Amino acid sequence: EVQLVESGGGLVKPGGSLRLSCVGSGFVFSSHDMTWIRQAPGKGLEWVCTITGSSAFIYYADSVKGRFTVSRDNVRDSFHLQMNGLRADDSAIYYCAGGIKFGDRTFDHWGHGTLVTVSS
Amino acid sequence: SYVVTQPPSVSVAPGQTATFPCVADNIGNKNVKWYQQKPGQAPVLVIYDDSGRPSGIPERFAGSNSGDTATLTISRVEAGDEADYFCQVWHSITDHVIFGGGTKLTVL
Repeated sequence: EVQLVESGGGLVKPGGSLRLSCVGSGFVFSSHDMTWIRQAPGKGLEWVCTITGSSAFIYYADSVKGRFTVSRDNVRDSFHLQMNGLRADDSAIYYCAGGIKFGDRTFDHWGHGTLVTVSS
Repeated sequence: SYVVTQPPSVSVAPGQTATFPCVADNIGNKNVKWYQQKPGQAPVLVIYDDSGRPSGIPERFAGSNSGDTATLTISRVEAGDEADYFCQVWHSITDHVIFGGGTKLTVL
């Protein structure tokens, strides 16, 4: 069974940093691009970034470029989101997602989400 | 930037058909995915590649895509279908994933 489990969310002050992690299981982790998607309270889904299986290519939304850094560790079947310079509008549930069966940009598996709150 | 537009809400009575448009420039040239999200839960893929249905998704869920509009249709709507529905595409030029703003389905 495919599982994605996030961790690392919490309360942080504006300008602060936080590192999210997502561990995958039940599939060949290194063969799949992995993605972070966030959802602000009461709002829609917003794509944050995607990292390809080999880490050769990384793509960021304009809203986080230069502040967030995604990386992965295919030995530990995990990938991470380093968030620096956090702002109030970064407050959201952050989901890790993967396209396992229908292509890497079709998210058929999601984690449960981890809540990030940026507030003083 | 590529913008995908969805109406904020749709309301239907049980047993009727709910239609969710997803509008964007030449979206018919892209593969559209649809997600259902119930309160407090992660999204669930209900349609892939315009009209594909993952295992476990009822046949009542159907998708189509042509021109500037992709459409999710739910036939014989049930109370349990009440949720937010998001369309999503991949903009290959920028390799960005783009979501529509979502449509909230209310079952009357």
